[in-house]
Amino acid sequence: KAGVTQTPRYLIKTRGQQVTLSCSPISGHRSVSWYQQTPGQGLQFLFEYFSETQRNKGNFPGRFSGRQFSNSRSEMNVSTLELGDSALYLCASRGRLAINEQFFGPGTRLTVL
Amino acid sequence: ELKVEQNPLFLSMQEGKNYTIYCNYSTTSDRLYWYRQDPGKSLESLFVLLSNGAVKQEGRLMASLDTKARLSTLHITAAVHDLSATYFCAVDIDRGSTLGRLYFGRGTQLTVWP
Repeated sequence: KAGVTQTPRYLIKTRGQQVTLSCSPISGHRSVSWYQQTPGQGLQFLFEYFSETQRNKGNFPGRFSGRQFSNSRSEMNVSTLELGDSALYLCASRGRLAINEQFFGPGTRLTVL
Repeated sequence: ELKVEQNPLFLSMQEGKNYTIYCNYSTTSDRLYWYRQDPGKSLESLFVLLSNGAVKQEGRLMASLDTKARLSTLHITAAVHDLSATYFCAVDIDRGSTLGRLYFGRGTQLTVWP
């Protein structure tokens, strides 16, 4: 069974630009969560989608948005990039709703110059 | 908001030694997860603990959960170099406004030296 895939793996952008990251969950998984990982703040929750609906959102500004498609693939978008947005963005999917064991993708390393 | 504290944050130990990593959390929950992260890599699921008193073991690692004390431990037995990584504990309460969200500790960076 293929794992969670994320594209692109690496991105370099400049301040003010916008970026879209993509995540394909494990086949059959309908819940996708996004996290931001930085050395200073650790792992922080961005949002969670289930059946194309955002069910939960972390404490991030409105520049961070996401969506989920009918095939459970998810995208997140960051507009008006800031230097502080440089981070590893991790996507995770889960199959069993009874527990919250999440399986993580390899991440997208975003560098904002 | 649920707080998760891990200690120590840095752990340097000699091969063959034993040690325990602690994970405390602030809100009632009976679901706790341990992950491993190698440098530059993603998170790998190690253990899922779903009830008070749960104990799971895999190789030289053993995890346990005490929901009354809001404490989980990850015990390392006879450490080997391959265990060098960062270990995260995560808690969820997965209801209402917290659906699908894991609350992570800051991680314990483990280095095992010969």
